[in-house]
Amino acid sequence: EAGVAQSPRYKIIEKRQSVAFWCNPISGHATLYWYQQILGQGPKLLIQFQNNGVVDDSQLPKDRFSAERLKGVDSTLKIQPAKLEDSAVYLCASSLGQGADQYFGPGTRLLVL
Amino acid sequence: SQQGEEDPQALSIQEGENATMNCSYKTSINNLQWYRQNSGRGLVHLILIRSNEREKHSGRLRVTLDTSKKSSSLLITASRAADTASYFCAPQGAQKLVFGQGTRLTINP
Repeated sequence: EAGVAQSPRYKIIEKRQSVAFWCNPISGHATLYWYQQILGQGPKLLIQFQNNGVVDDSQLPKDRFSAERLKGVDSTLKIQPAKLEDSAVYLCASSLGQGADQYFGPGTRLLVL
Repeated sequence: SQQGEEDPQALSIQEGENATMNCSYKTSINNLQWYRQNSGRGLVHLILIRSNEREKHSGRLRVTLDTSKKSSSLLITASRAADTASYFCAPQGAQKLVFGQGTRLTINP
């Protein structure tokens, strides 16, 4: 079974630039999550989708972050404009449903200069 | 909060020894999950223990859960170099996992 795919694996940008990350969940997984993991900390949930609807985006900085999952499969997370403190690993995870085991992708490591 | 807090923050042991990590949380949960993260990689799900379970085994892993004390422990027996990683507990309420800062485990050869 193919795992959660993410791209790119690494990205370096300057502050105030824009960046987008892509995630392809495991086939058949209805729930998709985006996490932000700052160095030395645990992952923090940014947004959770159930199919193409948002379940929880309470910790998403909506002034600069946006995410979509238009067809209920792939998802993109965008940051515009980026700040230095956005430097982190962005992890995508998926699960069969809410409350089920989550499977994580390898993450995208973002460095904002 | 629902967030798990791991203890210790860092642990260094010799290969072959057992490693024990603890997790505490503050609210009621449906289950508690443990994850491993190797350096520079995504998280790997290790084990899930439900709130009505007290102990669970998976290979060299043993997890306990004490809901009265709101605590869990992860025991890795006969440690190997490949066990070097960060370990996170994630108490789960209705829908959301909330990760702590993790325990950084180093296995010395």
